Amino acid sequence: EAGVAQSPRYKIIEKRQSVAFWCNPISGHATLYWYQQILGQGPKLLIQFQNNGVVDDSQLPKDRFSAERLKGVDSTLKIQPAKLEDSAVYLCASSPGARSNQPQHFGDGTRLSIL
Amino acid sequence: DQQVKQNSPSLSVQEGRISILNCDYTNSMFDYFLWYKKYPAEGPTFLISISSIKDKNEDGRFTVFLNKSAKHLSLHIVPSQPGDSAVYLCAASEGAQKLVFGQGTRLTINP
Repeated sequence: EAGVAQSPRYKIIEKRQSVAFWCNPISGHATLYWYQQILGQGPKLLIQFQNNGVVDDSQLPKDRFSAERLKGVDSTLKIQPAKLEDSAVYLCASSPGARSNQPQHFGDGTRLSIL
Repeated sequence: DQQVKQNSPSLSVQEGRISILNCDYTNSMFDYFLWYKKYPAEGPTFLISISSIKDKNEDGRFTVFLNKSAKHLSLHIVPSQPGDSAVYLCAASEGAQKLVFGQGTRLTINP
């Protein structure tokens, strides 16, 4: 079974620029998550999709962050404009459904550095 | 407000001995708890979980204990092996899968 795929692995941009990350979940997984992991902290949920609908985006800074899940499969997360505090690893995860006994499977993340 | 805390940033254990990683939580509504293992430059990998209706769950060398009255869980690894060296993340959720993670504990197994 192929895992969660993310690209790019690394991205370096200057503040105020835009950036986009892509995620392809495990085939058949209905639920997709984006997390932000700042150095020294645990991952923090940004947004959760169930198929192509948003379930929870309460911690997404909507003035600069946006996300979509095309046709309930792939997803993109965008930051525009980036700030220095956005430097982090952005992790995508997926699970078969939204029940609590179905662990999330994570991709290897995109490491974003803001100069 | 940090709802899940791992107070030990690092832990060093001799190979073959027991490793005990601890996690505390504040939200009494959490009903599902997980441990993830993370190697450098990789995403977290699911290790073991426990529901709030249990107080122990075992999978091979890994055992998770849950003390609901103390709002505390721990992960025991016996015996510890060099490949267990990684960052361990504790996570908790209330109902439908909104995971809240701790900061992680870096475990080093010494030969």
